Amino acid sequence: DTEVTQTPKHLVMGMTNKKSLKCEQHMGHRAMYWYKQKAKKPPELMFVYSYEKLSINESVPSRFSPECPNSSLLNLHLHALQPEDSALYLCASSQQETSGGFFYEQYFGPGTRLTVT
Amino acid sequence: GENVEQHPSTLSVQEGDSAVIKCTYSDSASNYFPWYKQELGKRPQLIIDIRSNVGEKKDQRIAVTLNKTAKHFSLHITETQPEDSAVYFCAAKANTGKLIFGQGTTLQVKP
Repeated sequence: DTEVTQTPKHLVMGMTNKKSLKCEQHMGHRAMYWYKQKAKKPPELMFVYSYEKLSINESVPSRFSPECPNSSLLNLHLHALQPEDSALYLCASSQQETSGGFFYEQYFGPGTRLTVT
Repeated sequence: GENVEQHPSTLSVQEGDSAVIKCTYSDSASNYFPWYKQELGKRPQLIIDIRSNVGEKKDQRIAVTLNKTAKHFSLHITETQPEDSAVYFCAAKANTGKLIFGQGTTLQVKP
C-alpha cells in the first residue's frame, strides 16, 4: 500500500462548529505532515509529527489542533475557524523526518477541501 | 530568510513544443530540489528531483538541471502533451529540513 488517504474529501462547517480531518497511511512511515493550500498557491507547512511526537508547529493558530494517535493516523481538530481558513488541507507522510543531508520523499494524500461559512 | 522564486507564473505552449520553468533559491545549504505536478483538484505528485551533487537528471520527457553556483534549477519538459497541463511547483530543502516551495507555474498545453 503506497497511498495516503484522507477523510472527508469535502467539509463545510460554520464558524462555531467543531470538526476533525483524518489522515491514514500504511507504509510504515514515521513522519506525518499537515499542509494548508490555497488555490493555485504552494502548500504551506502547518505541523510535523515524528514518531508520534509533535516535531514542528509553524506558529499555527490554536483553533487548529493536531493529534497523532498512532504511527498510521494523523488527525487535525478544527474549532472556531474563520472564513479565511477555507482551503485544501493536505496530509503527507515520509519514511522519516528529514534530518542532516538526507531528504525522505513526502507522499501526499488527496486532501480535504474545507469551506468555512 | 529561506526563499524560492519561480518563473514564469503561467506558461502556454503548443502541443509538441518544449516548456521550461526556472527557480532560484536563497539558502546555499539547500541540497535537495524536488519538482511537483498538481493537476486540478488532485494531490501534488513528485515528478522528478535532483540532489546537489548532480548537475542534471533526466526521466523520459522531463529533465532537471541544477547550477549550484548560481543557486538556480530548472525543469524542462520536451514534446509536451495536453496531459502535461497542470500547476508545477519547484521546492528546495532548507537547512531546517523543511521544503520551501516556489509559487507555482500554471502550464497549459494547447492541442
